[in-house]
This record gives sequence, structure tokens and C-alpha cells, in this order.
Amino acid sequence: AQKITQTQPGMFVQEKEAVTLDCTYDTSDPSYGLFWYKQPSSGEMIFLIYQGSYDQQNATEGRYSLNFQKARKSANLVISASQLGDSAMYFCAMRSRNTGNQFYFGTGTSLTVIP
Amino acid sequence: DAGITQSPRYKITETGRQVTLMCHQTWSHSYMFWYRQDLGHGLRLIYYSAAADITDKGEVPDGYVVSRSKTENFPLTLESATRSQTSVYFCASTASGTETQYFGPGTRLLVL
Repeated sequence: AQKITQTQPGMFVQEKEAVTLDCTYDTSDPSYGLFWYKQPSSGEMIFLIYQGSYDQQNATEGRYSLNFQKARKSANLVISASQLGDSAMYFCAMRSRNTGNQFYFGTGTSLTVIP
Repeated sequence: DAGITQSPRYKITETGRQVTLMCHQTWSHSYMFWYRQDLGHGLRLIYYSAAADITDKGEVPDGYVVSRSKTENFPLTLESATRSQTSVYFCASTASGTETQYFGPGTRLLVL
């Protein structure tokens, strides 16, 4: 079975500091994709970043980067220069061909940015 | 406007009633998904569809029915609502050959 684990229910970070949100995954499929989504208090799900299992380099999107360690099966999200607007729930997700392209989500990490 | 929409945004119903949640996307994405979001569980997949007339069960399909007669629409029906189906429901879509999944705004459902 596919599984996504986010072990940090809540995190705090000082404004302008960097923060790392942890995500580990479990799959036997060699071909898979890893995603991070942001859910602010307004409720919508916002796509942040994607990493393919065969990608050689870590994905980056502006202040977001994905620290992909394949051997450890981890896909941590790094947010640099945190802003107050980064306060939200963050979800890690995985999709793989072996599971018929279903998406599996972790339980999320609540990030609070402190001024 | 192009995108993915859900209706209604809020719904209160009673136990035993049938409820249909609508999802419409304007991108002609082949894949569509229904999730429910509950505290402590994150998002769990209810049903998904790879194309019109092709649907498959996700992680928590019991008590739900879906159909997809047209590519752009993917309604979710609760045949006989139960209190345990009180949740926030998200519809999402993905284009074939791409990886990014785009979400609708969600429907908050309360079953009394």
C-alpha cells in the first residue's frame, strides 16, 4: 500500500527564516511523483511544487524547494525567507502508476509564521 | 472563467437523504477526483475517473456513487447521507500526461 507520513502536526517559524516540513513516503513503484500543496485558512488547495522519481535535481519554485532523498524515501519541503502569508496547512502527496494514478495525501503540517 | 468549480459550496442535509455534489471543469482534463477532508485524516480519495464513463474506487468509496457521462462533469452522490459523511469535499482534475492536480474550492457538507 502507498503511504505518506508527515510527522509534524504543527510548526512555528520566525518571519524571514527558513523552515523544513518533513514528508516520508512508502512505495514499491519505481515511477512516482511527489507533490506539496498549501491550504490557507480560506480552505482552497494550492499546488506548490512537484518532484518526479526520475528527476535528477531537486525541484524549486521560487521560495519553495523540495529536498528529495530517494534512498531515504523522503521529500521534505523547504520554504526560504518565510512570510506571514505562509501560515497555512501543508500537505505532501504522492501519485504512482502502480496505484492507477491515485493520489495519496499525508495528514498535513500546520505552519505558523511568527512576526 | 476557466477552472474547476463545485456546487453547492455549503450544504446542510438530514440523515437518510440523497445529496449530489457537483463538479465541473473547463480544461477538458481527462482525470477527475473526489476527496473528503477530515481532521486528522488529511485528504482521502473517494472515487476517481480516468475519462468519461470510466470510474474507479478510491480509499473510502462506501456510501458514495459517481458518474461521468461528460468529460467536464463528475458528480458525487451520497445515496443515503449519514452523520459520518459530514466533511469537506474537494473535487480535482489532472490532464493526461501531466502530474499537477488542480482543486476546486470545496463543498462543506453537514449531515444532521
